[in-house]
Amino acid sequence: GAVVSQHPSRVICKSGTSVKIECRSLDFQATTMFWYRQFPKKSLMLMATSNEGSKATYEQGVEKDKFLINHASLTLSTLTVTSAHPEDSSFYICSARSLSLTLFDEQFFGPGTRLTVL
Amino acid sequence: AQSVTQPDIHITVSEGASLELRCNYSYGATPYLFWYVQSPGQGLQLLLKYFSGDTLVQGIKGFEAEFKRSQSSFNLRKPSVHWSDAAEYFCAVDAFSGGYNKLIFGAGTRLAVHP
Repeated sequence: GAVVSQHPSRVICKSGTSVKIECRSLDFQATTMFWYRQFPKKSLMLMATSNEGSKATYEQGVEKDKFLINHASLTLSTLTVTSAHPEDSSFYICSARSLSLTLFDEQFFGPGTRLTVL
Repeated sequence: AQSVTQPDIHITVSEGASLELRCNYSYGATPYLFWYVQSPGQGLQLLLKYFSGDTLVQGIKGFEAEFKRSQSSFNLRKPSVHWSDAAEYFCAVDAFSGGYNKLIFGAGTRLAVHP
């Protein structure tokens, strides 16, 4: 089946630093990748949608200057949390939708990245 | 506005008992519905999906779900629960909004299984 990886799986950083999280589709090409944030014991909140080669579309209330998303290729998207603060601590999950003629394709989810900002 | 409601935050069942997790959606068009399972600290795994056709959908791990348009529901069922089924379950609808498709998730139901 389609596999999506995330790196790192866990990161701890100091307040004020920037952290980059990678999301890769390992065995398929992803036209669209999604980034979600999940608070403890809460549901997934969509942060942004990125299409290869174009700017990401951010959901209302998500700071685009703080959460930089780059989708440079059909297999890689990155999320950079700039000047991270403790309130940015969360579980970040990416997903990828396959390149297909089917209108509604399944999203394949990565295992998530636990970010802790001290 | 599109939304998904999972009325039960926590459910506890005994191993071997039957299970039903409730999901109600609000969506103006024909819904594309999904159930995902998340184990602690893990990403999401798709259990099953409904796009069209037969309203009773079979999934992995012995799960099934029934789409009922009249009730705007997509409840997940399993006839006999195993201890390994303890996890968080999310219902989602694929909604077209702002020019593209995105998944809208319910709040989740945490399932505990007693031996």
